[in-house]
Amino acid sequence: AQSVTQLDSHVSVSEGTPVLLRCNYSSSYSPSLFWYVQHPNKGLQLLLKYTSAATLVKGINGFEAEFKKSETSFHLTKPSAHMSDAAEYFCVVSDGNFNKFYFGSGTKLNVKP
Amino acid sequence: NAGVTQTPKFQVLKTGQSMTLQCAQDMNHEYMSWYRQDPGMGLRLIHYSVGAGITDQGEVPNGYNVSRSTTEDFPLRLLSAAPSQTSVYFCASSYRGGANTEAFFGQGTRLTVV
Repeated sequence: AQSVTQLDSHVSVSEGTPVLLRCNYSSSYSPSLFWYVQHPNKGLQLLLKYTSAATLVKGINGFEAEFKKSETSFHLTKPSAHMSDAAEYFCVVSDGNFNKFYFGSGTKLNVKP
Repeated sequence: NAGVTQTPKFQVLKTGQSMTLQCAQDMNHEYMSWYRQDPGMGLRLIHYSVGAGITDQGEVPNGYNVSRSTTEDFPLRLLSAAPSQTSVYFCASSYRGGANTEAFFGQGTRLTVV
């Protein structure tokens, strides 16, 4: 069975400081993992995806994530937060057939001026 | 290129009413699915389809019905609305492409049942 756990429901950072959003996954086989972002009252936008080609994945807007099999983690990072990064972020694992996606409960990122 | 289009964007229903949420995609994706988003719970899968004429239940299917007569459309029917179905509903599509496949989402339908 597939599942993801996002370890923080809320994260608050100051503009210009690093961002770390944590995600642990459970999967019965080699997982396909994704991070999506949702700005207030908007749909979901793909930030990045891991599909076993490389453990460090670069996404849009300066975000990246590192797949660590030994730790079953796929944490999202950004070196320097921007006000426009304030949103909710979801870690997602697919079932391998890509017709079902399992979402974490989400992490709301607040960026302070 | 419209992607995944959901209608309506907002809807208020009275308890016991029925309605259909529409979803259409123009990317010729085989897979389509419906999710509901509730605070603190992420998105949960309601129903999904792997192709025209094929549907199956997800995690929270009770009170919802789906059909898929064409590749493009995947409507979600609420049979008798209940306040517990107040939520934001997202339709998604993806293609049968293996490890590089992600889900594409519509803009959501915010449903309130009073």
